[in-house]
Amino acid sequence: GIQVEQSPPDLILQEGANSTLRCNFSDSVNNLQWFHQNPWGQLINLFYIPSGTKQNGRLSATTVATERYSLLYISSSQTTDSGVYFCAVEYRGGTSYGKLTFGQGTILTVHP
Amino acid sequence: DTGVSQDPRHKITKRGQNVTFRCDPISEHNRLYWYRQTLGQGPEFLTYFQNEAQLEKSRLLSDRFSAERPKGSFSTLEIQRTEQGDSAMYLCASSLVDNEQFFGPGTRLTVL
Repeated sequence: GIQVEQSPPDLILQEGANSTLRCNFSDSVNNLQWFHQNPWGQLINLFYIPSGTKQNGRLSATTVATERYSLLYISSSQTTDSGVYFCAVEYRGGTSYGKLTFGQGTILTVHP
Repeated sequence: DTGVSQDPRHKITKRGQNVTFRCDPISEHNRLYWYRQTLGQGPEFLTYFQNEAQLEKSRLLSDRFSAERPKGSFSTLEIQRTEQGDSAMYLCASSLVDNEQFFGPGTRLTVL
């Protein structure tokens, strides 16, 4: 199956700093999503971005499908940005349609 | 705006008991997915439905697990003869075909 690797595994920032999270995947994908998981376990949709660049406030994401990676940028980080960030992909090949394969996540801690 | 809902939010049971979880997807979504997440890991795919048809099951879904979506709306996931290894967060998601998945708040299962 497809492999999804996220880096770094852990990231500690001071409030106001910028950061970049990376997601590498091993094969062609139909879809790619970024999520933020809050302390209660809820997965919050950040971006649906199989290719290209999108921005939403302080967050932006870029997926370069031909090179099999995606980047999530967080600017001017706030303590409320803390949590786990997941990248998830839908593999294009075989007979597996629709299911998401998740990376291991990046644990972000923002200190005041 | 009615998102994906799951019930119960928490379930504590004794080993060997049967449990059933319910998921209500976003109303116009025809795809419904079940995932399982253990501590420190990303969610893992269990099964998915398109309308009432169960189209794929993961090898993680042993014969003690069964899922249904009888009228193409809500879905249930039943675990028979629970084991301590079944303790996890069970997540439900829904989507339109070939589109962004939205997750519910999850059901946290603890097997004593």
